[in-house]
Amino acid sequence: DIQMTQSPSSLSASVGDRVTVTCRASQIISTYLNWYQHKPGEAPKLLIFAADTLQSGVPPRFSGGGSGTDFTLTINSLQPEDFATYYCQQSYSAPLTFGGGTRVEIK
Amino acid sequence: EFQLVESGGGLIQPGGSLRLSCAASGFTVRSDYMNWVRQAPGKGLEWVSVLYNSGTTYYADSVTGRFTISRDNSKNTVYLQMNNLRADDTAVYYCARARQLVYGMDVWGQGTTVTVS
Repeated sequence: DIQMTQSPSSLSASVGDRVTVTCRASQIISTYLNWYQHKPGEAPKLLIFAADTLQSGVPPRFSGGGSGTDFTLTINSLQPEDFATYYCQQSYSAPLTFGGGTRVEIK
Repeated sequence: EFQLVESGGGLIQPGGSLRLSCAASGFTVRSDYMNWVRQAPGKGLEWVSVLYNSGTTYYADSVTGRFTISRDNSKNTVYLQMNNLRADDTAVYYCARARQLVYGMDVWGQGTTVTVS
């Protein structure tokens, strides 16, 4: 099974900050990497698929990058509605594992 | 509009069985890749199972042999049959659609809560 490791597990940031979350796969997954945002009491929301493709309707302050085993999610100019937990997920091979999550909190 | 609505959650004793349903609208479940994802209290998201449009199924190691994913094309509904439930199966269970796995899970239900106690 492919293990997904996210870092950091949590971070504190202010509105307007630039935030970067990293995700590492235990083996090469090409660009089969997706990012989700999850807020308490809501369904998860797809932000980015195929490592760097923005899902329709997602603000362009979100961006993704990477290939192989190392990936990043960047949020430029953090907004109040961005405080949430972010997860990476590999879709290279089943089981389709998630990372442990990164909680973005208000500083 | 694409929509998924889960049902069937509840309180069940350890060792018991439960069947979750996920009714789709706006698209056909037989054409896409249908997933179940869960979140235990205070924990992160855990992928549980996928049903390919071809009928192929895969499961997380933690549920293999106990859970079965299936679909009823006439009802446009996906199911998760959960047997021999354990306390660590307690979670909110989400149904999610992927048009292709590479495109990620773009449609999610609101979730249904399963409590094993």
